[in-house]
Amino acid sequence: QVQLVESGGGVVQPGGSLRLLCAASGFLFSTNGVHWVRQAPGKGLEWVAIIRSDGKTKKYGDSVKGRFTVSRDNSEKTVYLQMNSLRVEDTAVYYCARDVGWASDCWGQGTLVTVSS
Amino acid sequence: QSALTQPRSVSGSPGQSVTISCTGTSSDVGPYNFVSWYQHHPGIAPKLMIFEVSKRPSGVPDRFSGSKSGNTASLTISGLQAEDEADYYCCSYAGSWTWVFGGGTTLTVV
Repeated sequence: QVQLVESGGGVVQPGGSLRLLCAASGFLFSTNGVHWVRQAPGKGLEWVAIIRSDGKTKKYGDSVKGRFTVSRDNSEKTVYLQMNSLRVEDTAVYYCARDVGWASDCWGQGTLVTVSS
Repeated sequence: QSALTQPRSVSGSPGQSVTISCTGTSSDVGPYNFVSWYQHHPGIAPKLMIFEVSKRPSGVPDRFSGSKSGNTASLTISGLQAEDEADYYCCSYAGSWTWVFGGGTTLTVV
């Protein structure tokens, strides 16, 4: 079945970096875009980024623009989120989700990123 | 990219109907019929309930329906059931391949 599994979360100091992975299975990965969405503790969902199926179109939310970079390896069926210059306010559960054209129909379970000194 | 506006909470009794509003602007909800709704139980992956304003994915009960008027979208849940208790988020395309979520609404079935 369609499945997305995030990994790479952990604890990092402010100013540090972390790379998240989103491993896909159960569908033709190269034909779908992938979103990253996060949820800070006690807060709502926040759209972070998208990478389209060809890997060329990448867009970011204002709060992460210039610090986060999304990429993908279609041969590995994996999407990456490189997070640099991390801030305390980046602490959140990060989800990846399959884009099916204007919506996301499959989400991973999320990976927790904690930015703390 | 300001968050869409949703009521913080709504409640209803089993069997009743509730409607959750989602107010955006002329830059996101207004010009696009690309509003989706997600159900989120804590600790579980969000679930797509409505896409493109009013379409239901297979497997979603027809008790869930969506609509839009101007800059405001709405999710209506009829015949409330205990398992509907969750957080609900709207999401809209905002142009230039960007998206924006609502702040979320907690539905309590009393």
